[in-house]
Amino acid sequence: DAKTTQPPSMDCAEGRAANLPCNHSTISGNEYVYWYRQIHSQGPQYIIHGLKNNETNEMASLIITEDRKSSTLILPHATLRDTAVYYCIVRDVGDYKLSFGAGTTVTVRA
Amino acid sequence: KAGVTQTPRYLIKTRGQQVTLSCSPISGHRSVSWYQQTPGQGLQFLFEYFSETQRNKGNFPGRFSGRQFSNSRSEMNVSTLELGDSALYLCASSPGTSGLPYEQYFGPGTRLTVT
Repeated sequence: DAKTTQPPSMDCAEGRAANLPCNHSTISGNEYVYWYRQIHSQGPQYIIHGLKNNETNEMASLIITEDRKSSTLILPHATLRDTAVYYCIVRDVGDYKLSFGAGTTVTVRA
Repeated sequence: KAGVTQTPRYLIKTRGQQVTLSCSPISGHRSVSWYQQTPGQGLQFLFEYFSETQRNKGNFPGRFSGRQFSNSRSEMNVSTLELGDSALYLCASSPGTSGLPYEQYFGPGTRLTVT
C-alpha cells in the first residue's frame, strides 16, 4: 500500500524552480523520505533523502514540514533533462526495499 | 566508481522458456535488490540479497528466483516464462548496512520480451 500521495503530473518552465509536493501523513518516527526520478526507460536515479531536517545536494533540495506529514522536492533551475517521473518514497531504516507509487510526471517546457 | 551494470540489456524469449539475468553492483556494495517494472503494475520489488543470503522477498511466484555470489554479483532466474513476465527488470545496489538510511543505485535494466 502506498504511503505517499503525489500529484499525477505537473509542468514547469525551463530555468524556473520546480516544486514537487508529497504527502505522507502516516509517516512514523523511523521512516525517511526518499526521492528518486526515472527518465523514460532508464533505471531510477537517486536524488535525495531526509528524516526531519531540510536537505540540499547538487541536484535538489528537500523541505520536510515540522510535523513530517509532507515534503517538497525543489529543483532550483529546471532544465529539459529534468523531464521525468519523480517518486516520493517513505522507507524505514529496517526495510530493505523501496515501495514505488505512481509518482509525478514532470514535464519541463522550453 | 563504475555504476551498476546489467546484462543483457535486451532479451527476447518464448513462452515456457527460462531466462537468467545478471547484475554487477557498485564496488564495495554488498546488497543487490531486484525490481520488475511493467506499465500496469509499475515498479515492484522482487527480492534482495545481502552477503549471499536472501534477506527480503516480494510477492512473486516461485518461478522467480535469485542468488548472489561471494563477489556480490547477482543473478535472477525466471522459469516457465509467461507473456506477463515481459517487463523491465531492474537491479539496485547499496551498501545494505542494517539500521542505516542508505540509498539504492539502479542499473539501466534488462528489457525482457516474452512472445
